[in-house]
Order: sequence, then C-alpha cells, then structure tokens
Amino acid sequence: AQSVTQPDIHITVSEGASLELRCNYSYGATPYLFWYVQSPGQGLQLLLKYFSGDTLVQGIKGFEAEFKRSQSSFNLRKPSVHWSDAAEYFCAVGAMNSGYSTLTFGKGTMLLVSP
Amino acid sequence: DTAVSQTPKYLVTQMGNDKSIKCEQNLGHDTMYWYKQDSKKFLKIMFSYNNKELIINETVPNRFSPKSPDKAHLNLHINSLELGDSAVYFCASSSRQGHTEAFFGQGTRLTVV
Repeated sequence: AQSVTQPDIHITVSEGASLELRCNYSYGATPYLFWYVQSPGQGLQLLLKYFSGDTLVQGIKGFEAEFKRSQSSFNLRKPSVHWSDAAEYFCAVGAMNSGYSTLTFGKGTMLLVSP
Repeated sequence: DTAVSQTPKYLVTQMGNDKSIKCEQNLGHDTMYWYKQDSKKFLKIMFSYNNKELIINETVPNRFSPKSPDKAHLNLHINSLELGDSAVYFCASSSRQGHTEAFFGQGTRLTVV
C-alpha cells in the first residue's frame, strides 16, 4: 500500500529565510505527487503537482518542488518565506485503489514563521 | 464563485443524534469524495463517488451513509453520533477517476458532546 512520510511535525523559519519541507513516499508504480496547504480554519489548497516530465515543478505563491525518484522524495521549497505562509502543509500521493485513484496524505508539517 | 461548498461549517450535536453534511461542486467534476481529518490533522479518505455511484468505501462504520443525488452533490449522513466522530470532514471533487488533483471544500467541523 502507498504511504507518505513527512518527517517534520513542525518547522519554524524566520521571515525572509528559505524553506524546505520534506516528503518521502512509498508507492510501487509511478507516483503522482501533490502538495497542499491548509490555513487555519480553511480547506486544502493545491500548491503544485507532479505527474510526469520535468522533475522540478513550479506552483503558486512562489513554491516549487523537486521529484527525486532515487530518493522517493518530493520536497517543497520556497526561497523567501512570508509571514502569510504560516500554515499546515500536506504532501500526498495519488495511487490506485480498487481500480480508482485516491489521495493518500502525509501527517502534515506545521510551518511557523518568526519575525 | 465557490468551487466546492459544504454546509454547515460548524456542527455541534449530542451523542446519539443523526446529522447530515451537504456538499456541492460547480466544477463539472465526475468524482466526489469525503475525507475525515482527525484531531492530529491526519486526513483519510472515507468515500469516493463517480457519477453518483459509490466507488470506494474505506472501512467506514455503516453509521456513515453517503448519498449522491446527482454528480454535483455528495451528502454525508451520520446516524447515532459518537464522541469519536468529532473531526473535520472535507468534501472534495476531481475531474475524473485518475491521477488528477482534488479540489477541497472548506470543511465541516463536527463536535459531538
């Protein structure tokens, strides 16, 4: 069965500093990978996705992620964090389940931004 | 224009009651889902519907009964509510049953007292 590991429960970054959130997946076939962000009291918003092709994908709000098959990783990065980026970040893998696709999520990483 | 909308946003109810959460999407998607987010923020699929037909039921107690009157709506009815049902329930939709992204509603925070 597929799984997603986000090893950091929470991370604190100074405003203006760079950010990297880690994500490792386990899936037997070619993975379809996603990063979502959840602001307090809000739903999940898609930041970016990887289906195929270029392993470096660009998303909204200045985020990017790099797919590394050899490391089974899909880490999220941002060169300069803004206070409004404070939120919960979820990595997910799209996998087939009984012939249909569902998302399996990691447990999330809470990003705190310090002034 | 809200793409995936859920009502109510908050729901507080007593143990043993029956309640429903409604979900509507205006994206023209064929597939809709219910996810449950527990107190530790862990998100897990509950159900998936494709063109009004149940596709996936992830070992959810049969007190939970989804209903899809048409492909734009997926409601969740919960009977005999228990304390452990307290969670945030998210509705989502995607354009097809494949590896496409899901669009999520704002969530319904259910508190059972």
